[in-house]
Amino acid sequence: GESVGLHLPTLSVQEGDNSIINCAYSNSASDYFIWYKQESGKGPQFIIDIRSNMDKRQGQRVTVLLNKTVKHLSLQIAATQPGDSAVYFCAENGDSWGKLQFGAGTQVVVTP
Amino acid sequence: NAGVTQTPKFRVLKTGQSMTLLCAQDMNHEYMYWYRQDPGMGLRLIHYSVGEGTTAKGEVPDGYNVSRLKKQNFLLGLESAAPSQTSVYFCASSTGSQETQYFGPGTRLLVL
Repeated sequence: GESVGLHLPTLSVQEGDNSIINCAYSNSASDYFIWYKQESGKGPQFIIDIRSNMDKRQGQRVTVLLNKTVKHLSLQIAATQPGDSAVYFCAENGDSWGKLQFGAGTQVVVTP
Repeated sequence: NAGVTQTPKFRVLKTGQSMTLLCAQDMNHEYMYWYRQDPGMGLRLIHYSVGEGTTAKGEVPDGYNVSRLKKQNFLLGLESAAPSQTSVYFCASSTGSQETQYFGPGTRLLVL
């Protein structure tokens, strides 16, 4: 079946460096993608989203890139800070009923 | 706005006991969702609702029931708890099917 997956389960990043988190999706009908951040013991928090008519979207210190040709999504975090340590999930929302499909998540660990 | 709230935060049940998890949102969202999250796995949709008085099954509905009697509340019931239902449960809401879902803080459930 269709699925959303992440390439790297754990990403270790030095404070101040840029982080790149990757996500592969297989549902070619998906037209809306979301990145969530989940800190330990908390619910997922919306970071940024992108629709399929775009290939790049920027937020505060974050950029999402969408490559529909290879069905790939990435989240870039600039100048990674200790507070960025969390699990990051990508999700696709190709179902008209709004059902999200989540990947397993990538643990980002920021080292001093 | 409190956003999405969940009660209780933590609960221990014995096998066979029943309980109800309450989700409330004050954002006037039409769509509400219940997910479960297990270690090393992404969020899996249990049930969802596209409006007051409506409910539908998600990916893993067995053993759960839901009700949406009021627009702001979405209840998740376990009639006869099983150890396999030990998990963290998250509620979410959104304005529409292609819009961002906002999550609550979660309910940790342990079934012995």
